[in-house]
Amino acid sequence: ELKVEQNPLFLSMQEGKNYTIYCNYSTTSDRLYWYRQDPGKSLESLFVLLSNGAVKQEGRLMASLDTKARLSTLHITAAVHDLSATYFCAVDPLVRKYIFGTGTRLKVLA
Amino acid sequence: KAGVTQTPRYLIKTRGQQVTLSCSPISGHRSVSWYQQTPGQGLQFLFEYFSETQRNKGNFPGRFSGRQFSNSRSEMNVSTLELGDSALYLCASMAGPGNTEAFFGQGTRLTVV
Repeated sequence: ELKVEQNPLFLSMQEGKNYTIYCNYSTTSDRLYWYRQDPGKSLESLFVLLSNGAVKQEGRLMASLDTKARLSTLHITAAVHDLSATYFCAVDPLVRKYIFGTGTRLKVLA
Repeated sequence: KAGVTQTPRYLIKTRGQQVTLSCSPISGHRSVSWYQQTPGQGLQFLFEYFSETQRNKGNFPGRFSGRQFSNSRSEMNVSTLELGDSALYLCASMAGPGNTEAFFGQGTRLTVV
């Protein structure tokens, strides 16, 4: 069974701190995606990682992919309140059939 | 460029009824996928349509069905609704072969009472 696990599930952090969300998956996949979801809203695409070693950065967020370890990380630098949301990773091993992680609910405290 | 449009945004139905949800993908996108999001099960893949053909299917009962029209718009139907079908149903639009980044609509919040 394909599994995508994220940890932590919940993360409460102070503004200005750094932290990393981990996404482990159980099957071979060269494609991994990160999404953000605000309460009651849809999924907003953050990063598309399409090869081993891929690293992408946008503002205070940086994502990386290690396909050999089947691991992706989402690093948050100097967190701000606006980053409070739920973050999902998803793999796409069968093409156009995303398997989503459990989600990480991030709360940034002022 | 318009995004993915889902209608209606909210629905309340009674057990045993059926419901049809609609999704219009981004213009030019030919692939439409459907996902169910619940607090207990998270985000689960329902099915994917490309050029009016179902290409992938998730592990949902036959009460869940869908179709895609020649203009790429898609509908999802759920028959004989159960309380457990209450969820946020998300539609995702992809450009097609070689481009697998999914863009999601705002979702339809279905409540079954």
